Amino acid sequence: DIRMTQSPSSLSASVGDRVTITCRASQDIRNDLGWYQQKPGNAPKRLIYAASNLQSGVPSRFSGSGSGTEFTLTISSLQPEDFATYYCLQHNSFPLTFGGGTKVEIK
Amino acid sequence: EVRLVESGGGLVKPGGSLRLSCAASGVTFNNYDMNWVRQAPGKGLEWVSFISSSSRYINYLDSVEGRFTISRDNAKNSIYLQMNSLRAEDTAVYYCVRDFTSITVIWGQGTMVTVSS
Repeated sequence: DIRMTQSPSSLSASVGDRVTITCRASQDIRNDLGWYQQKPGNAPKRLIYAASNLQSGVPSRFSGSGSGTEFTLTISSLQPEDFATYYCLQHNSFPLTFGGGTKVEIK
Repeated sequence: EVRLVESGGGLVKPGGSLRLSCAASGVTFNNYDMNWVRQAPGKGLEWVSFISSSSRYINYLDSVEGRFTISRDNAKNSIYLQMNSLRAEDTAVYYCVRDFTSITVIWGQGTMVTVSS
């Protein structure tokens, strides 16, 4: 199974801050990775697909990068509506695996 | 409006069974692979099962293999998850999700399954 190690597990940041979240895959997954945002009580929403492609309708302050085993989600200027939990998901091989999540909280 | 609507969740005793359904509306269904993903209370997301568009390919999380069965009825725009021999650790919100590999991923709103005596 491919293990997705996501860090940090939580962070505190202020509005306007630049935030970076990392996922490391235990083996090469090419660019078969998506980033998801989840707010309490809601289903997740995909922000980034194929590691670096912005989902339609998602603000351009979100960006993704990486391939192979190292991936990054960046929020260039944190907005109040961005406080949520973020997950990476690899769909390169079964079982599909999520990272452990990063909870972004208000400082 | 594009929607996936899950149903069938509820409270069941350990060892019991439940059948979850996911109905698609306003969305092309037949050509897409489908998945079930769950989230235990206060925990992260966990993929559970996959079924290809034609039902030819099926995969399961190891911990549910042999207990859960995924199926679909394209004529009814629906997928199902038959869950047998349920355990406390199966307690979660269960989401159906359309095709993680496509340009647009669609999630249902989830249905809660509670396994408790």
